[in-house]
Formats: sequence, C-alpha cells, structure tokens
Amino acid sequence: DAMVIQNPRYQVTQFGKPVTLSCSQTLNHNVMYWYQQKSSQAPKLLFHYYDKDFNNEADTPDNFQSRRPNTSFCFLDIRSPGLGDAAMYLCATSRESGNQPQHFGDGTRLSIL
Amino acid sequence: LAKTTQPISMDSYEGQEVNITCSHNNIATNDYITWYQQFPSQGPRFIIQGYKTKVTNEVASLFIPADRKSSTLSLPRVSLSDTAVYYCLVGEDSSASKIIFGSGTRLSIRP
Repeated sequence: DAMVIQNPRYQVTQFGKPVTLSCSQTLNHNVMYWYQQKSSQAPKLLFHYYDKDFNNEADTPDNFQSRRPNTSFCFLDIRSPGLGDAAMYLCATSRESGNQPQHFGDGTRLSIL
Repeated sequence: LAKTTQPISMDSYEGQEVNITCSHNNIATNDYITWYQQFPSQGPRFIIQGYKTKVTNEVASLFIPADRKSSTLSLPRVSLSDTAVYYCLVGEDSSASKIIFGSGTRLSIRP
C-alpha cells in the first residue's frame, strides 16, 4: 500500500553519465517535490511542481532537471553527475503546497563512480 | 521565512516521556509548526502539525506556548523503535511559501 514509490532504491552511475530517478504517487496530490539529502544532513529542497507548474529553488544547480509528464509521475534528471551529487534523493507529495503534510518515498540512494 | 533551532541530539530510555523543543523566534502570524520523523534509509514521516496551544494524535503531542516562539514535541513512553531523527519545520499553510528542513534532533533510545 505504498503511496509514494521511488525507483530504483539504489542507483549507481559513472561520473558525468546522465541518470534519471523516478517517482510515482497513488495519492493524486497536486504537488510533487524532489529533495537531496546527504549523509547526516537534513533534506534540501531542489524543486517542486504544483500540477504542471515548475518551481525551482534558487540554489539548485542547472545540472538538475525535472519532468512531470502527468499527475502520478515525476522524474529527476541529473545531466552530468559529479562526485558531490552522491546522496539520497527523496520524492514527496502533498495535496497543496506550503506547509501541508508531505508524504515521502523511501528515496533513491545515488552513488557516483 | 522562520528559521528553526533544535538540539542536535538527545538520549533517553525505554518507557520514558521524551520532549524535544524547537525554537522559532521569527515565526510569522500565518505559520504552522510541523514535525517529521526519519529512520535511516527511509523518507521522513509526518508526525504532527499545529498552530497554537496543544495538538494530540495517536503518536505524539505538540505543545505551543502563547507567543509561539517555540514548540515542544512530546513522545509518551518511548520504545527502541522511536530512535530516529526528528525535524521541526515552520511555514505557511498556504501555496505561497517554501519549506526548509532544520538540522533535526537525533533521538537515541536505550533499553
């Protein structure tokens, strides 16, 4: 009965090789978020979608892109991963934006070789 | 955007009540206070949200004084499975603002 599903749970890619992480939701929520979480740090918001409207955080590197083809799916594309991009990537949803309770997936742990 | 400050870590024992306090001196009138719990290798899980006074659910209670410059998450009779990182967030319950996770409190429960 998972509601926010992230695939894969573990992803390994090579330095500079594009990688895509995926997220799907069964909650029919309007908002989908992508966070980056490095070891022993808090999640850091990269961007979010309100429906089809994309909202990028000011300090999110251009190397990170996102797509939301429909309500249920959202993708995180890292165009040229560097060693510093190794992290856990968390997807979350909420019914509305702002301080609405967010439902998180269990993340994809990305390793860069 | 109100910043939050929490203790970095706390220790307690099974069966005890644990109170984790979060400071948010710059909280705005429209801001709500939300707490999340995160276990290793999992995403954060929503625990509780409140605006003022006291909120209680099946998991925890949230105490917010009248000036709202701090809040306290109370976990009754903790068990080993409550060992986790707890995050306090402050932000508007509307479409306007963004949410920033604070540094979190690492709670360790011992037998």
